[in-house]
Amino acid sequence: QSALTQPASVSGSPGQSIIISCTGSSSDIGAYGYVSWYQETPGKAPKLIVYDVSARPSGVSSRFSGSKSGSTASLTISGLQAEDEADYYCSSYTSSTTLDVRFGGGTKLTVL
Amino acid sequence: QLQLQESGPGLVKASETLSLTCTVSGGSISSVSSYWGWIRQPPGKGLEWIGNIYYSGSTYYNPSLKSRVTISVDTSNNQFSLKLNSVTAADTAVYYCARQDMVRGFDYWGQGTLVAVSS
Repeated sequence: QSALTQPASVSGSPGQSIIISCTGSSSDIGAYGYVSWYQETPGKAPKLIVYDVSARPSGVSSRFSGSKSGSTASLTISGLQAEDEADYYCSSYTSSTTLDVRFGGGTKLTVL
Repeated sequence: QLQLQESGPGLVKASETLSLTCTVSGGSISSVSSYWGWIRQPPGKGLEWIGNIYYSGSTYYNPSLKSRVTISVDTSNNQFSLKLNSVTAADTAVYYCARQDMVRGFDYWGQGTLVAVSS
């Protein structure tokens, strides 16, 4: 089960915007709309920040936004802040009848 | 507020069985909208989905681990468990339990527990 493809790292300066891509295929992202994004900081469990492609859980900053085109999903973080420095993972289902999940390989965001 | 807590041995010998339990508090494991999952993260690597279970006992497993994994649920104690047999060093990881909502994904996570496999 291959992971979804994410860039290993991205970086940006405070106040800037960055985009993290998540590329899958017609058997995961391209087929199902339920893409989620997670933020992981050292020593802590991952935190859900975007679900259903572009929805945000209560309490998550509006600076985080998601989108999808074909088999590629994207996470945009605007107005970068030092606290955004973390690892980010995307995920997608791989089946319409089960809850099989595929994660991306993860992207390390560095705030310069 | 829903809380999940993993428990189990932090060290397992190679070829033996890794066993972990996740205790759910602040909500019922029998919630009709919830699935309960296990995810792991080897040191310095990414997340890997292991499998999920519904309170009824229906399970879904990662095809790459399916032959070695068993997930079970104990509704009376609001717990679900993971067993991974024939472990090797490659199974050394932080193991997380989490609640999975069909739309939202994994929205509540345990703190994670490191399990090391020794030779």
